Amino acid sequence: GENVEQHPSTLSVQEGDSAVIKCTYSDSASNYFPWYKQELGKGPQLIIDIRSNVGEKKDQRIAVTLNKTAKHFSLHITETQPEDSAVYFCAAPSSGGSYIPTFGRGTSLIVHP
Amino acid sequence: KAGVTQTPRYLIKTRGQQVTLSCSPISGHRSVSWYQQTPGQGLQFLFEYFSETQRNKGNFPGRFSGRQFSNSRSEMNVSTLELGDSALYLCASSPGGADTQYFGPGTRLTVL
Repeated sequence: GENVEQHPSTLSVQEGDSAVIKCTYSDSASNYFPWYKQELGKGPQLIIDIRSNVGEKKDQRIAVTLNKTAKHFSLHITETQPEDSAVYFCAAPSSGGSYIPTFGRGTSLIVHP
Repeated sequence: KAGVTQTPRYLIKTRGQQVTLSCSPISGHRSVSWYQQTPGQGLQFLFEYFSETQRNKGNFPGRFSGRQFSNSRSEMNVSTLELGDSALYLCASSPGGADTQYFGPGTRLTVL
């Protein structure tokens, strides 16, 4: 099955700085990579995703890049704000016919005002 | 559209009891997946239901079971509760089971 490694586990930045979270995956057949944000007391919410036919996708201050050769994808948040503080999870499809995601262990992002 | 809803939001049980959690997916979504989230193990897949049939199953003991109704609502049941079952149980729905999953707020289960 798929193995997803996520780094770092904790990331502390000053407001206005950029934050980068990286994930690696093992299954070269994986083709869909979502990122989720989980705030305290809530379920994970999809913030951006990328498919294997593109290398980068951007949505305002959030971007995701994908390197299929190296089997890694990254979440980039620019101009961070205190409300960006949350736990972020990456995911990649598990093997098999149906899409079941394997999640990374999560990154706790803390944005200091 | 209303999001995924889960009931109850919080639950306290004692060892040996059983519990049933409920999930209502986004209208029109036919796939419902369940996950267990703990600090130690992270987000782990329990099972997925599609059109009332269990389509995928994770690596959990048989004490964990589920079902889906014709209106796509789903329930999961945990029998003979153990202390280690304390966790946040998340339900996620998707239109057909592929790609994007939309999560509910979760049910926080505490086993004493």
